[in-house]
Amino acid sequence: DIQMTQSPSSLSASVGDRVTIICRTSQSISTYLNWYQQKPGKAPKILIYAASSLRRGVPSRFSGGGSGTDFTLTISGLQPEDFATYFCQQTFNTPWTFGQGTKVEIK
Amino acid sequence: QVQLVQSGAEVKKPGASVRVSCKASGYTFSHFYIHWVRQAPGQGLVWMGRLNPDSGDTNYAQKFQGRVTMTRDTSISTAYMDLSRLRSDDTAIYYCVRDAGYSYGLDWGQGTLVTVSS
Repeated sequence: DIQMTQSPSSLSASVGDRVTIICRTSQSISTYLNWYQQKPGKAPKILIYAASSLRRGVPSRFSGGGSGTDFTLTISGLQPEDFATYFCQQTFNTPWTFGQGTKVEIK
Repeated sequence: QVQLVQSGAEVKKPGASVRVSCKASGYTFSHFYIHWVRQAPGQGLVWMGRLNPDSGDTNYAQKFQGRVTMTRDTSISTAYMDLSRLRSDDTAIYYCVRDAGYSYGLDWGQGTLVTVSS
């Protein structure tokens, strides 16, 4: 199984800050990497697919990058509604595996 | 638009079985794999397996082999996930996920809470 290492596990930030979350995989997955936002009691919401493609309807302050084993999710100009948990997922092969999540909290 | 609507919450006793349904709309059901993923309270996401709605073929995660069965009824565009011999650590939210491929991404159902308690 492909192991996912996501960092940091949590961070505190202020509205307007630029935030970057990192996801590393145990083997190369090309760009088969998705990023999600999850709020308490809600299903995961996909933000980025194929490492850098913005899902329709997702604000452009979210961006993704990377390939191979190293990936990033950046939020440029954090908004109040962005305080949530974010996690990565690889779909290069099954079993799909997920990062453990990064909780973004208000400073 | 694409929608995956799951069945409602369930409460089961240890040793029982549960069936969760996932009704698809807004696309041709047989064209895309349906995966099942679960999330225990306060925990991460775990892939359980996938179903090819066209052929009925399945692949299950080793962790759930022998306890999980994924099926479908193409006449009503619905996928099912059966989990047997339930334990307390099966308490989780179960999600169905449509895999529309690399160039589109995934669509998730709203989730179904299964609580296993004596």
